[in-house]
Amino acid sequence: DTEVTQTPKHLVMGMTNKKSLKCEQHMGHRAMYWYKQKAKKPPELMFVYSYEKLSINESVPSRFSPECPNSSLLNLHLHALQPEDSALYLCASSQETGSANEKLFFGSGTQLSVL
Amino acid sequence: AQKITQTQPGMFVQEKEAVTLDCTYDTSDPSYGLFWYKQPSSGEMIFLIYQGSYDQQNATEGRYSLNFQKARKSANLVISASQLGDSAMYFCAMRDILTGGGNKLTFGTGTQLKVEL
Repeated sequence: DTEVTQTPKHLVMGMTNKKSLKCEQHMGHRAMYWYKQKAKKPPELMFVYSYEKLSINESVPSRFSPECPNSSLLNLHLHALQPEDSALYLCASSQETGSANEKLFFGSGTQLSVL
Repeated sequence: AQKITQTQPGMFVQEKEAVTLDCTYDTSDPSYGLFWYKQPSSGEMIFLIYQGSYDQQNATEGRYSLNFQKARKSANLVISASQLGDSAMYFCAMRDILTGGGNKLTFGTGTQLKVEL
């Protein structure tokens, strides 16, 4: 199983809503990532978890709250978002072996629209 | 700071022809890794090929090969025998190992490739 599964695929939410994005992998990977991608732009790193601990927060606003309940799951809790937060949110994972050619495996993303 | 530059916003290629997508990079690290990912309209980022800075040979993976010119700091992707399914956005990326764990991929702006009949 070489998949990263993200749910939901599409999400529409109002600015006062609370919602969560979910990401799951069963490859035994120990690092997991959230990226944000605006239309026709490259993905931008938001958060990194390594061995279930938050390793990097790229100065993301607090209305985005990541959670890593276990090594297979990664959530992104959303609250009081703004319309400019509308984007494709990509989850990724990697083995965390430290090898130079370690690659990230990405999910298909959640397309988020904030009204 | 690392920087990745892709100067071709869009490219067209005829089916069965070869195409080269350009990527230049800038880094002060002596050891680094370069990746190419493909992103079809479905959204998923698909790993294509990897080149390490100390690798003696250019990387190849099936129809994908990497023209790595270290002195010029370029890592161009060559796709041979293009297929309609190759139509997608292609991103060049550089890897940075994070001291707290994990890897950071910094992406270029991407090249939209369209394969025509």
